[in-house]
Amino acid sequence: GENVEQHPSTLSVQEGDSAVIKCTYSDSASNYFPWYKQELGKGPQLIIDIRSNVGEKKDQRIAVTLNKTAKHFSLHITETQPEDSAVYFCAASIYSGGYNKLIFGAGTRLAVHP
Amino acid sequence: DTAVSQTPKYLVTQMGNDKSIKCEQNLGHDTMYWYKQDSKKFLKIMFSYNNKELIINETVPNRFSPKSPDKAHLNLHINSLELGDSAVYFCASSQVVAAAYEQYFGPGTRLTVT
Repeated sequence: GENVEQHPSTLSVQEGDSAVIKCTYSDSASNYFPWYKQELGKGPQLIIDIRSNVGEKKDQRIAVTLNKTAKHFSLHITETQPEDSAVYFCAASIYSGGYNKLIFGAGTRLAVHP
Repeated sequence: DTAVSQTPKYLVTQMGNDKSIKCEQNLGHDTMYWYKQDSKKFLKIMFSYNNKELIINETVPNRFSPKSPDKAHLNLHINSLELGDSAVYFCASSQVVAAAYEQYFGPGTRLTVT
């Protein structure tokens, strides 16, 4: 069935280190993969996304890679800062009934220690 | 300059009551969504409307009834509230119908049923 698995569930790094979060999806027809950051008490915020015709996308300290053959994609955060601490969600689009919807991973709680 | 707003932010009520949550977006988007985030932070789509028309209706109890008076507003009415309805409900919007691209979330409504 429709499924997005996300690992790890928690990640603790020192300020300045890199953080990597990985997701796998089950539907080979998925073609859109966004990443969201959710801070405490707030709604998810779109931070970067990638479409299936692209293998990698970067935006300053954040990058996403996509391997369609293996059906997995990853979020890379370099030079982490304390304000990067949050819960990060990956998602994949699923086509159903004429429309696409997003299926979310279970989230990764990232803690960046000064 | 709030993009997607929801009211109320907190809602505490007793089992059996009926309550409504309101959502408004000023992004000019045509598509709006309701998501439910449970206590484990799992985020799942409930409904989607495109220009006032229901396009996605997940397996949600019929006690939940969305209504879209115009494309900038999407409300959620819940009848006969149950303990299991306690969650954070997020409204979201996006421009591209059918593609699920670039969804922007509101700040959420924390519903507690006692």
